[in-house]
Amino acid sequence: EAQVTQNPRYLITVTGKKLTVTCSQNMNHEYMSWYRQDPGLGLRQIYYSMNVEATDKGDVPEGYKVSRKEKRNFPLILESPSPNQTSLYFCASSLRARAPEQYFGPGTRLTVT
Amino acid sequence: GESVGLHLPTLSVQEGDNSIINCAYSNSASDYFIWYKQESGKGPQFIIDIRSNMDKRQGQRVTVLLNKTVKHLSLQIAATQPGDSAVYFCAETLPGTYKYIFGTGTRLKVLA
Repeated sequence: EAQVTQNPRYLITVTGKKLTVTCSQNMNHEYMSWYRQDPGLGLRQIYYSMNVEATDKGDVPEGYKVSRKEKRNFPLILESPSPNQTSLYFCASSLRARAPEQYFGPGTRLTVT
Repeated sequence: GESVGLHLPTLSVQEGDNSIINCAYSNSASDYFIWYKQESGKGPQFIIDIRSNMDKRQGQRVTVLLNKTVKHLSLQIAATQPGDSAVYFCAETLPGTYKYIFGTGTRLKVLA
């Protein structure tokens, strides 16, 4: 089944404790992206990747890191999480940038205390 | 999940009626627009897209209209069904970029 998977789905952590949210797609897509979703703000793009070893900042990259060493994986790293990073995070992929359909993962709900 | 919808404008329509969801996009130079549907507890799902060289595009039961003069995008859903209840987002991209800018969303409630 074609899908985007994220792990973990739920995470509660404390300020400053490094964490990684994994994202994987099995559709051989070139473009992958991370978004955060907050009440009243819609989805905001954190980082995106055009292909392996090609990443760039979205609108809200501060406090996040990404890497794209393999085509299928695009992990999101929070080196020192803070409470303002409490949010719902979505990973997405598409065949290429600006392709008609972005496929979204199920989301990761992160709480930083 | 539900918490992301707390501050959203809501459109309530009777089952079987047509729905029109509006979006004011932010940048007059944007050249590609997409509508997404997000059901409770799920990630957004692509509905339909349109490029700036078009005014209208139709899909199955959905039509997107683009008015570049006033930077306005609308999604029309014909014969609205209970399964259409969700939050709807528009998104835009600028030429030469690979970033997506999403609107804040509209909640559609279908009344039986």
